[in-house]
Amino acid sequence: GESVGLHLPTLSVQEGDNSIINCAYSNSASDYFIWYKQESGKGPQFIIDIRSNMDKRQGQRVTVLLNKTVKHLSLQIAATQPGDSAVYFCAEIGGGATNKLIFGTGTLLAVQP
Amino acid sequence: NAGVMQNPRHLVRRRGQEARLRCSPMKGHSHVYWYRQLPEEGLKFMVYLQKENIIDESGMPKERFSAEFPKEGPSILRIQQVVRGDSAAYFCASSPFVPSGSYEQYFGPGTRLTVT
Repeated sequence: GESVGLHLPTLSVQEGDNSIINCAYSNSASDYFIWYKQESGKGPQFIIDIRSNMDKRQGQRVTVLLNKTVKHLSLQIAATQPGDSAVYFCAEIGGGATNKLIFGTGTLLAVQP
Repeated sequence: NAGVMQNPRHLVRRRGQEARLRCSPMKGHSHVYWYRQLPEEGLKFMVYLQKENIIDESGMPKERFSAEFPKEGPSILRIQQVVRGDSAAYFCASSPFVPSGSYEQYFGPGTRLTVT
């Protein structure tokens, strides 16, 4: 079946550095992608989204890049802070009328002070 | 301005008992999604409901699991005769009805079910 997966299960960065979290998706028909941040013991928190008719979208300190040719998604976090430490998930809309999310397995971002 | 609320936050059940998980969506939201998260895994879709209707239950196990979203009150995810494999975090998300197709779902804090 269709799936969304992540390349790196853990990523360790120094405070102040930029972080890049990658995600591969397999459903070429997906037209909407979201990045979520999940801190320990909490529910996923929306970070940024992007539609398939775009290849880049910027938010506050975050940028999402979409490469439809190779079905790759990335999240860039500028000037990473200790508060950014969390598990990051990419998710795609599963299609149809229900807008259910298909999540990848997650990348743990550990920010070293 | 309360977000999505779930209770209980932690639930311990013995094998064979019933578990009831509650979700109150954000004010004004009429769509509710339930997801399950096993340890160190991503969230898996279970069911999508609107008021008094189950729209998509393709992610629900065929037996023991049921969900409802009544006209009044919270959405309920019920698990009958729980087994150890049901131990997981269960998340509820809500979204408003937006004809133009906004997809953002707002998640609750989850209920962590432990089956002993």
